[in-house]
Amino acid sequence: GAVVSQHPSRVICKSGTSVKIECRSLDFQATTMFWYRQFPKKSLMLMATSNEGSKATYEQGVEKDKFLINHASLTLSTLTVTSAHPEDSSFYICSARDPRGTIYFGEGSWLTVV
Amino acid sequence: EDQVTQSPEALRLQEGESSSLNCSYTVSGLRGLFWYRQDPGKGPEFLFTLYSAGEEKEKERLKATLTKKESFLHITAPKPEDSATYLCAVQAPRGGYNKLIFGAGTRLAVHP
Repeated sequence: GAVVSQHPSRVICKSGTSVKIECRSLDFQATTMFWYRQFPKKSLMLMATSNEGSKATYEQGVEKDKFLINHASLTLSTLTVTSAHPEDSSFYICSARDPRGTIYFGEGSWLTVV
Repeated sequence: EDQVTQSPEALRLQEGESSSLNCSYTVSGLRGLFWYRQDPGKGPEFLFTLYSAGEEKEKERLKATLTKKESFLHITAPKPEDSATYLCAVQAPRGGYNKLIFGAGTRLAVHP
């Protein structure tokens, strides 16, 4: 089946630094990708919708300048957490919509800010 | 307001004990209802998409059905490896894009 790959799967960074997470659709071209955040034992919270070649659409309450999203190609979207703080520690998951409309998720990335 | 409610929140079954998970939704402009399975510390794994009332889909021990107000995920003769959180999501156009709106999930534990 379709595969969406995220990298890195785990990352630890120091407070105040920036960290980038990549999301790739391996089997199909994805004009739309999504970024989610998930807290322990909670459901997925949509952060932003990423469209190839245009600016991302952020959900209410999500800081655009803190969570930078770039969708430079039809197979790659990146999420950069800028000036990370411990409260940004979380599980971040991306998804991509295939041409048939099915949405596949990546394996997720654990971010720990120390 | 868009709403997706899953019940029960948690379910414990004995191996072989069939049951159903419920997903109730209130959304305008439904563009599909998705079921995913999520294991701890992993991203959701796609199971099914249903588009119209009356539609059914099956995969191994799982069967998903859809009405105009809710969807059921039936699990027949479950095995311990079916233990996971099952997520339901509806897709609807919002702000020019199709978005997935998730329920809180049902945590299923199947014991031998």
